[in-house]
Amino acid sequence: DGGITQSPKYLFRKEGQNVTLSCEQNLNHDAMYWYRQDPGQGLRLIYYSQIVNDFQKGDIAEGYSVSREKKESFPLTVTSAQKNPTAFYLCASSTQGGDTEAFFGQGTRLTVV
Amino acid sequence: GESVGLHLPTLSVQEGDNSIINCAYSNSASDYFIWYKQESGKGPQFIIDIRSNMDKRQGQRVTVLLNKTVKHLSLQIAATQPGDSAVYFCAERRDKLVFGAGTILRVKS
Repeated sequence: DGGITQSPKYLFRKEGQNVTLSCEQNLNHDAMYWYRQDPGQGLRLIYYSQIVNDFQKGDIAEGYSVSREKKESFPLTVTSAQKNPTAFYLCASSTQGGDTEAFFGQGTRLTVV
Repeated sequence: GESVGLHLPTLSVQEGDNSIINCAYSNSASDYFIWYKQESGKGPQFIIDIRSNMDKRQGQRVTVLLNKTVKHLSLQIAATQPGDSAVYFCAERRDKLVFGAGTILRVKS
């Protein structure tokens, strides 16, 4: 089945450690996005990529990094520079341009312990 | 725009009533708009979309209205059901997809 998959569903990190969240899609979408969601709040854009080997910062990119080496994959690394990383992270993909909706993964809940 | 530091507003409706959820968007150049529904602990799901050359679009039990003059979107849900309880977000798209603040819909039985 076509879709977008995030893993793991739950992730625990010690302070000072980098962690990488996986996002894979088999929808042949060019554009991919990472959002952060805090409890009771909306979605804030971290990074997005409209094409392989290219990506742009969103509204809250500090403390995060991404890569887009393959069309299917857009991993997000939460670095030790992110001071408050505990949150729900959502990945999405869509066709590049055009008027089609973005499809979301089921999210990764990251907790700093 | 941003929802940093804000908690989501709540709309409570009686089962069977109609619901209207509002959203203000930020970019007058946005040309495509989407409504999403998010249930607890899950990713957002597509409900309905509308292009900027339209002012109204209807789906099954849902209608989206777009007012470009005041940069306002609304989602109308007819005969609201308990399964409609969720958080609803609007999103605008230009070169990236940006979400509005969201509204919690609670349906009372």
